[in-house]
Amino acid sequence: AQSVTQPDIHITVSEGASLELRCNYSYGATPYLFWYVQSPGQGLQLLLKYFSGDTLVQGIKGFEAEFKRSQSSFNLRKPSVHWSDAAEYFCAVGAWNGANNLFFGTGTRLTVIP
Amino acid sequence: EAGVAQSPRYKIIEKRQSVAFWCNPISGHATLYWYQQILGQGPKLLIQFQNNGVVDDSQLPKDRFSAERLKGVDSTLKIQPAKLEDSAVYLCASSLVAQGELFFGEGSRLTVL
Repeated sequence: AQSVTQPDIHITVSEGASLELRCNYSYGATPYLFWYVQSPGQGLQLLLKYFSGDTLVQGIKGFEAEFKRSQSSFNLRKPSVHWSDAAEYFCAVGAWNGANNLFFGTGTRLTVIP
Repeated sequence: EAGVAQSPRYKIIEKRQSVAFWCNPISGHATLYWYQQILGQGPKLLIQFQNNGVVDDSQLPKDRFSAERLKGVDSTLKIQPAKLEDSAVYLCASSLVAQGELFFGEGSRLTVL
């Protein structure tokens, strides 16, 4: 069965510092992996996705993620965090088995301090 | 391009009452999804439509939840009767094709007292 683990419930970083959000997945086939961001009271916005090919994926807002099959990980990174990055971040794995079902992790809440 | 529209944004009801949520997907998107997001959890798929047919409703509590997508465009999710544990944000999403990128609406927050 598919599952996603985001081990960090809450992370606090200083503005300008680097960021890494962890994501580990469990999936029996080739995974399709996503990172979404959710600001308070808003829907989810896609940051980036991995389907195949280059394991380092570039997304919007300066984010990137690296797929590591050996570690079953898809960690999200940003070299310099901005105050506007404060939000909830969700990692998801896609199961294309007749249905387009995304399995989400429980999320990591990012707080940015000046 | 207009995004996914949902209404109402907020709803407070008492347990055993009924509630309905409406979703209008992005124009031309064939696939529509309803997700339930309980506080502190990630979204969980309730039902997926391809045009006006159901692709996956395996996690929809069918004794109280129902959803329809008449004419393959907008959709309604109904809960009757509501339970306390139904308190959540109900997210609607759409995609152009079945395996395409999902675009989410802002959600409908339900509080059951």
